[in-house]
Amino acid sequence: DSGVTQTPKHLITATGQRVTLRCSPRSGDLSVYWYQQSLDQGLQFLIQYYNGEERAKGNILERFSAQQFPDLHSELNLSSLELGDSALYFCASSVGSAVRTDTQYFGPGTRLTVL
Amino acid sequence: AQSVTQLGSHVSVSEGALVLLRCNYSSSVPPYLFWYVQYPNQGLQLLLKYTTGATLVKGINGFEAEFKKSETSFHLTKPSAHMSDAAEYFCAVSDRGTGGFKTIFGAGTRLFVKA
Repeated sequence: DSGVTQTPKHLITATGQRVTLRCSPRSGDLSVYWYQQSLDQGLQFLIQYYNGEERAKGNILERFSAQQFPDLHSELNLSSLELGDSALYFCASSVGSAVRTDTQYFGPGTRLTVL
Repeated sequence: AQSVTQLGSHVSVSEGALVLLRCNYSSSVPPYLFWYVQYPNQGLQLLLKYTTGATLVKGINGFEAEFKKSETSFHLTKPSAHMSDAAEYFCAVSDRGTGGFKTIFGAGTRLFVKA
């Protein structure tokens, strides 16, 4: 158990809908990262927040947005969902903001299925 | 931009045999390199990382990796495979993009261990 929690574990929805994925980092960790894992794209970095502020951005679509709240939990919002958005979405957390040296601890993921 | 290539999407070894998972990277700056393991239905877990200093890096569960700059490689090895090592392994490199530092993952190598 990494100490990172993600809810829900599974989510099934229809095209065009909007969903929210939630992540609670390990106690004391200030950074939250979001990743998407799919069969065709592999594991891709989406976005990083550090202490409430956006820190780094990866291949995140404009239909997707995220935020980190004062209690440090984070939410990833996915809207106008398409079939291709079906994937496993991971959240990770780390103590600091240094991607190159800080160890990232991954949650168990949320499996999103868009029908 | 930096990238990671993992040679072999599937590797099969017998229990007790040497495990060798190959990773090559491309980088225009000194790389920071990582190996992660993903067990079925779980998130990723950091096995080891190379930042600076000693080129032979020891990780958890008896794994180690050697950074070879001349070969742009960071292969993962374990002298004797256990059944519990069956999982997917990801090599990764940190990359500085326009949106800040991020982690770039390889496509992954699934390790099978035969009894």
